[in-house]
Amino acid sequence: GAGVSQSPSNKVTEKGKDVELRCDPISGHTALYWYRQSLGQGLEFLIYFQGNSAPDKSGLPSDRFSAERTGGSVSTLTIQRTQQEDSAVYLCASSPVTGDEQFFGPGTRLTVL
Amino acid sequence: AQRVTQPEKLLSVFKGAPVELKCNYSYSGSPELFWYVQYSRQRLQLLLRHISRESIKGFTADLNKGETSFHLKKPFAQEEDSAMYYCALRRRAQKLVFGQGTRLTINP
Repeated sequence: GAGVSQSPSNKVTEKGKDVELRCDPISGHTALYWYRQSLGQGLEFLIYFQGNSAPDKSGLPSDRFSAERTGGSVSTLTIQRTQQEDSAVYLCASSPVTGDEQFFGPGTRLTVL
Repeated sequence: AQRVTQPEKLLSVFKGAPVELKCNYSYSGSPELFWYVQYSRQRLQLLLRHISRESIKGFTADLNKGETSFHLKKPFAQEEDSAMYYCALRRRAQKLVFGQGTRLTINP
């Protein structure tokens, strides 16, 4: 079946603009995770959802970052007033339930000019 | 605090030679440990996990709690093993904590 999909695949924006990144998990997967992959920082956890609830938001780097999930499916990561240090590849992963293998999407490459 | 350390950012070996990618972790409880791999232009994918104790694509990894290590090994490297490898730790069935990654290059 279809894997995790993310859109857009690439996003170039100007400093100070808001961006929205979308993740479509594998159908039926209840757990959804957001990670960030940046040069020098490796892969960092941002937030995870169990259903529509986010039990762990500890990785969000600032209050400019927020995420939501609706209908236990699609999730949107929003970055307000983007900064150059937000430039990274944002990865989404899903798993049937927490504790199962996480399946990763292709990522969204965000470039803030 | 949980931490995963991969001391080598880059590792280059010749085809047919043994390869070992190092991973050390710090965690006070009983961790779940994983190796993920990202081939060129492909998604990050699970290679193996310590609880399964299996060999995938000729790779094995043994959890050494005394040394807090989970090194990835393969006796005979192949060119198709060239990729980025991440060691990761998971606690309480939740988020993954990744190391910085090691880029492995297999030379012909």
